Amino acid sequence: KNQVEQSPQSLIILEGKNCTLQCNYTVSPFSNLRWYKQDTGRGPVSLTIMTFSENTKSNGRYTATLDADTKQSSLHITASQLSDSASYICVVIGYGGSQGNLIFGKGTKLSVKP
Amino acid sequence: NAGVTQTPKFQVLKTGQSMTLQCAQDMNHEYMSWYRQDPGMGLRLIHYSVGAGITDQGEVPNGYNVSRSTTEDFPLRLLSAAPSQTSVYFCASSFGQAAVRAAQYFGPGTRLLVL
Repeated sequence: KNQVEQSPQSLIILEGKNCTLQCNYTVSPFSNLRWYKQDTGRGPVSLTIMTFSENTKSNGRYTATLDADTKQSSLHITASQLSDSASYICVVIGYGGSQGNLIFGKGTKLSVKP
Repeated sequence: NAGVTQTPKFQVLKTGQSMTLQCAQDMNHEYMSWYRQDPGMGLRLIHYSVGAGITDQGEVPNGYNVSRSTTEDFPLRLLSAAPSQTSVYFCASSFGQAAVRAAQYFGPGTRLLVL
């Protein structure tokens, strides 16, 4: 069964600290993996999109890594800011159907405290 | 560009009532989708469309209808609301298929409460 598991479920860090969020998946065949940021009461916003041939993708202070062999991805946030408080969702896209097979993780809720 | 817009932002319905959630995009995207987001669960696909006049079912289509008469609009209809349909609904659009790396753009969501 295609699944996406994210850990931890929630995380509290102090402003200025770094953190890493994890995403493990079993989706096959695999097309690409995305990380989204979802602020409370808003829709998800794309941070990165990676195919199996890309190991690292950065977007400002956000860096995503992908190991297609172990089917693991991580999102590293550097020098966290209060505005980073949000849910981070990992989405794995498989081939199939007329728009692809999108499997969403449940998300990691990050709280950045001053 | 307004991007993806959704109306209303919040709605309260009584069991058995019907309503339409509106979604519009001004990016000339072919692909549009409706998702629901429930606490403790990932987003789940309700219906999607790959172009005007073409729609298909997603993971949780029961109780919902869609149509796509124009590229811009993709309304979601609840035929007879049930408490199990209490959720946050997101509309998304993309230029191409997600399997070929097309970025998805999400609307701000509609919070629906069914009493």
